[in-house]
Amino acid sequence: DTGVSQNPRHKITKRGQNVTFRCDPISEHNRLYWYRQTLGQGPEFLTYFQNEAQLEKSRLLSDRFSAERPKGSFSTLEIQRTEQGDSAMYLCASSFDAGRHNEQFFGPGTRLTVL
Amino acid sequence: GDSVTQMEGPVTLSEEAFLTINCTYTATGYPSLFWYVQYPGEGLQLLLKATKADDKGSNKGFEATYRKETTSFHLEKGSVQVSDSAVYFCAPSGNTPLVFGKGTRLSVIA
Repeated sequence: DTGVSQNPRHKITKRGQNVTFRCDPISEHNRLYWYRQTLGQGPEFLTYFQNEAQLEKSRLLSDRFSAERPKGSFSTLEIQRTEQGDSAMYLCASSFDAGRHNEQFFGPGTRLTVL
Repeated sequence: GDSVTQMEGPVTLSEEAFLTINCTYTATGYPSLFWYVQYPGEGLQLLLKATKADDKGSNKGFEATYRKETTSFHLEKGSVQVSDSAVYFCAPSGNTPLVFGKGTRLSVIA
C-alpha cells in the first residue's frame, strides 16, 4: 500500500448528470476526509468518516452532494445533477486518529469538469 | 470557526534567498499546526508540523515554530532552491479537521 488512491483522476461530464468518485485510503487508517479545491484556493472541508460512521456532513455544499463509506474502507462521493459551479478538484485524505484530528495523507485528487 | 491567514502571493525569489511565509490562525481549543505543500501537478504533502506551544517543526530545510502567544506559525527556509517552487498551505487542526487558507505560491528562479 503506497498511499491514498482516487479514481477517476479526471472526469468530464455534462450539466445535469450524476458523477461518483472513489477514494481508497491507507489501509490501517480509520478516518477518511473529503475536500474540494477550486483554482487558486485552498482545500475546503466537505465531510469525514470515522470507520463507517459519517461524523460531520454539515459542510457538504448542498443536498446534491452525498458520501458513503459502507464498510469502513473505501469511500464514494456522489454529486447529483451536476452544475458548472461544481467544477473543481475533489481531494480525499485519510488518517489514523482517535479524538483530535492530526496529520492527514492526501490522494492525488479527482478533477471534475462540468460542461 | 477556525480560520487561517497567510501572506498573499505569489512570492518570487532567487535561488539561495531567505524565505519567510507568514501564517496566523484562529482556532478553538489548542490546535496542532501544519504546513502542507503542493508541487505542480501533484497532491498535497505534509511538509512539517508542531503539536504544542514552542515546538519547532522542521523538514527539508524548512522550519516553523508554534507561537501560541501570537497565534502564528511562520514558515522559514534559509536558502531556497528552484525545486522548492510550489504552493504552501498553513493549516490548524484539532477539534475540527484541517482548515486551509488560500495558500502562498512560491516561485524560485535560478
